[in-house]
Amino acid sequence: QVQLQQWGAGLLKPSETLSLTCAVYGGSFSDYYWNWIRQSPGKGLEWIGEINHSGSTTYNPSLKSRVSISGDTSKNQISLRLSSVTAADTAVYYCARSGYSRSSSFFDYWGQGTLVTVSS
Amino acid sequence: EIVLTQFPGTLSLSPGEGAALSCRASQTVSSNSLAWYQQKPGQAPRLLIYGASSRATGIPDRFSGSGSGTDFTLTISRLEPEDSAVYYCQQYGSSPPYTFGQGTKLEIK
Repeated sequence: QVQLQQWGAGLLKPSETLSLTCAVYGGSFSDYYWNWIRQSPGKGLEWIGEINHSGSTTYNPSLKSRVSISGDTSKNQISLRLSSVTAADTAVYYCARSGYSRSSSFFDYWGQGTLVTVSS
Repeated sequence: EIVLTQFPGTLSLSPGEGAALSCRASQTVSSNSLAWYQQKPGQAPRLLIYGASSRATGIPDRFSGSGSGTDFTLTISRLEPEDSAVYYCQQYGSSPPYTFGQGTKLEIK
């Protein structure tokens, strides 16, 4: 059974860097894309970006200048870094799995979510 | 970027009734690459439908998806109290970014 478990700092000050990690248990790490998605009351669900086992990444243009997704295949983990955060980055952040082809880029397994609050 | 608009915003129905939730895209969703999710308070979204009409593993056949092009529908028959949730559509037919609708809240009273 596939499980995604995520963790990271939940309270940040403006201008700091958000850092989250997601570990994948069960299933194949290399046969899928691994994504970060966030959910805020104001903007709903927003796809942040994806990474595959080779380290190939794609980011949402709206966040591209501040976001970095990396992977560690030895630990079956992915990580998210978002720099220069503001209150607008306050959201619940999820990691999620999607298929390896564009025709299967829906999200079938999700982490439990991490609430990140940006406040001075 | 494809914008998805869901309607109605809120739907209030009784157990046993049927529900039709709509999702309209700002441009054609290629290959019917549209998914539906159910989200209950405090939980991550749960995949219900992919490819516009294929049920995900373990999803009851009361849930069905239809549509093509720019107009898609999630139909839930024989509503049960546990169907109370927010439902989201998501498109993945175009190059990233993948986008979500703003959600429809379904209340079973």
